[in-house]
Amino acid sequence: IAGITQAPTSQILAAGRRMTLRCTQDMRHNAMYWYRQDLGLGLRLIHYSNTAGTTGKGEVPDGYSVSRANTDDFPLTLASAVPSQTSVYFCASTPSPGTTEAFFGQGTRLTVV
Amino acid sequence: QKEVEQNSGPLSVPEGAIASLNCTYSDRGSQSFFWYRQYSGKSPELIMFIYSNGDKEDGRFTAQLNKASQYVSLLIRDSQPSDSATYLCAVNMKYSGYALNFGKGTSLLVTP
Repeated sequence: IAGITQAPTSQILAAGRRMTLRCTQDMRHNAMYWYRQDLGLGLRLIHYSNTAGTTGKGEVPDGYSVSRANTDDFPLTLASAVPSQTSVYFCASTPSPGTTEAFFGQGTRLTVV
Repeated sequence: QKEVEQNSGPLSVPEGAIASLNCTYSDRGSQSFFWYRQYSGKSPELIMFIYSNGDKEDGRFTAQLNKASQYVSLLIRDSQPSDSATYLCAVNMKYSGYALNFGKGTSLLVTP
C-alpha cells in the first residue's frame, strides 16, 4: 500500500442494503476525512476524524456513520442505502488537521438502485 | 449557500494566455487556503497552498490571498491544453475540525 487506498472502486447497491466503504492509509496521518462529490455540488464533507478514537460530523452526515479504531483505517458505513446516496466518495488524510495538504484516495463510485 | 464560492465556468482561455481563477470565503477565522486540480474521473491533486496575505509563486502558478477581502485567487501563466481541468478552492473550517471546505470548482478549458 502506498498512500491512501479506497475499496471498492465502484459498486452498484440495492436500496435498503448496508454497505461499508473502506479507506486505509499508510502515511501515519492523524486526520482523515470522507467527502462525497456530486455534479454541481462539489465536494462535501460527510465525517472527519482528527485522531484515532475521535470522529465528528461534517456538512452532510445523515445516513452515514464512521469509526476510527486505529490510525490507518477510517471506514464509512451506509446503514440502509437510499438512491440519494449515489455519488463518488473520496477519502482523504492530512498529517495534522487543516493546515497541510490533504491526500486523496482514488474514489469509490457508488450507485444505489 | 456554500461558504466557499467559485464561478463554475467554464472559463475558456487560448493556449499561452493567463488564466485567472477566483474564490471567496465566508469564515474570517480560516487560516489555510488551497488550490486543487481535478481531471475528469480522477481524484483532486494539490497545486498550491497559501497561508499569508500576498502572492506565492510556484512555476507557472501564482496564488494570491487577501484576508481582509476574504479572497483567494490562482493565476496560471502560459496556459497549456493539459491545464484543462476543474480547479477547486479549499479553505479549512475551524468548526469542522479544520477539515477542508471546498468550493464547487471552476472548469477551465485551454484551447490550442
